[in-house]
Amino acid sequence: GDSVTQMEGPVTLSEEAFLTINCTYTATGYPSLFWYVQYPGEGLQLLLKATKADDKGSNKGFEATYRKETTSFHLEKGSVQVSDSAVYFCALISNTGNQFYFGTGTSLTVIP
Amino acid sequence: DAGVIQSPRHEVTEMGQEVTLRCKPISGHDYLFWYRQTMMRGLELLIYFNNNVPIDDSGMPEDRFSAKMPNASFSTLKIQPSEPRDSAVYFCASSFWDPANTGELFFGEGSRLTVL
Repeated sequence: GDSVTQMEGPVTLSEEAFLTINCTYTATGYPSLFWYVQYPGEGLQLLLKATKADDKGSNKGFEATYRKETTSFHLEKGSVQVSDSAVYFCALISNTGNQFYFGTGTSLTVIP
Repeated sequence: DAGVIQSPRHEVTEMGQEVTLRCKPISGHDYLFWYRQTMMRGLELLIYFNNNVPIDDSGMPEDRFSAKMPNASFSTLKIQPSEPRDSAVYFCASSFWDPANTGELFFGEGSRLTVL
């Protein structure tokens, strides 16, 4: 079945460091891919998405490219800020329905 | 615009008591999802509805859990009787059917349940 695997956390970085959070997926067909972010005490909210191969999603300085050949959707940011401290979830929506599949989440802490 | 509204935000109860969590999805959304989040198991899908009809409840842990959606603007998740291992944050989320399957899930702020 469809699934998402993302790198284990927690991740701790200094401010202005480069961030990569790896995400790979297994799916039949052509899913849409998402990154969601959860700030402390809040629900998840969409950070960015990509709906087809080679699409790049971007928002708030974060980017991720839909790589069908490697079945990956890695999240990157060139210079993290303290305010980026949160839990990041990779997710896909199956193209056979409206079923969402989430990764286990990666906790990021950015220290000044 | 109003987002997904959940209540209560926090609930502390004693083992054996009935707990009811409530959710109002975004108007016009035809899918509603209930998730449970814990440190040990992460984010788990419990059940989801389409047009008020339960589609997949395979994630509901056991018979103590039940969910209903009597109309398009309201859903409940009930635990009876509650147990300490049910302590978690319960999220409701909604979305609309998108033929291109590019749809986004909109989450509520969650209901934090503590069962003593």
